[in-house]
Amino acid sequence: DTGVSQDPRHKITKRGQNVTFRCDPISEHNRLYWYRQTLGQGPEFLTYFQNEAQLEKSRLLSDRFSAERPKGSFSTLEIQRTEQGDSAMYLCASSFLTGLRETQYFGPGTRLLVL
Amino acid sequence: DAKTTQPPSMDCAEGRAANLPCNHSTISGNEYVYWYRQIHSQGPQYIIHGLKNNETNEMASLIITEDRKSSTLILPHATLRDTAVYYCIVRVAAGGTSYGKLTFGQGTILTVHP
Repeated sequence: DTGVSQDPRHKITKRGQNVTFRCDPISEHNRLYWYRQTLGQGPEFLTYFQNEAQLEKSRLLSDRFSAERPKGSFSTLEIQRTEQGDSAMYLCASSFLTGLRETQYFGPGTRLLVL
Repeated sequence: DAKTTQPPSMDCAEGRAANLPCNHSTISGNEYVYWYRQIHSQGPQYIIHGLKNNETNEMASLIITEDRKSSTLILPHATLRDTAVYYCIVRVAAGGTSYGKLTFGQGTILTVHP
């Protein structure tokens, strides 16, 4: 257990529905990342926050995806109008940036299945 | 970030050392080498990272060649629970608001046999 928690751990939804995932980072970690992992592949970066500011978004993050980190604490990732191609493991990681050193600690992930 | 090359799979006998190689011939001077592993259906687990000196912690040792073009992760006494996908990642030092993402490749599937 790294101290990063994600909820829910599993989500099954029907195509076209909206889903929201939550990530609680390690306390006082100032950076929070979202990744997506499909079967047989390594995780792929989606977006990240430094405190409450969303500093970078991958081209993988279509208009249907939105992420927030209010008050620089927990974060939510929402997928609107889900598609079958959104089925994947969604991973959250947090880190504390000190100078040039940073280590990201991952949560257990939320596994999404879109029917 | 520099690209890494790892063998797709390796085997190791329980109790023996597991040596996992990684090539990163285009690494830049300000890029770190990170190792993570992922046990089936879990989130990636941080193992170790280094810049140019060899590093050791309670989990593993990281040996980086002098020219920094390759590295080896050493698990000194592999157990069955070390069976996982091991990812070698090269990433630029993250300062200020600079980009800190990790770029995962396919990794090496390490299987530890009894």
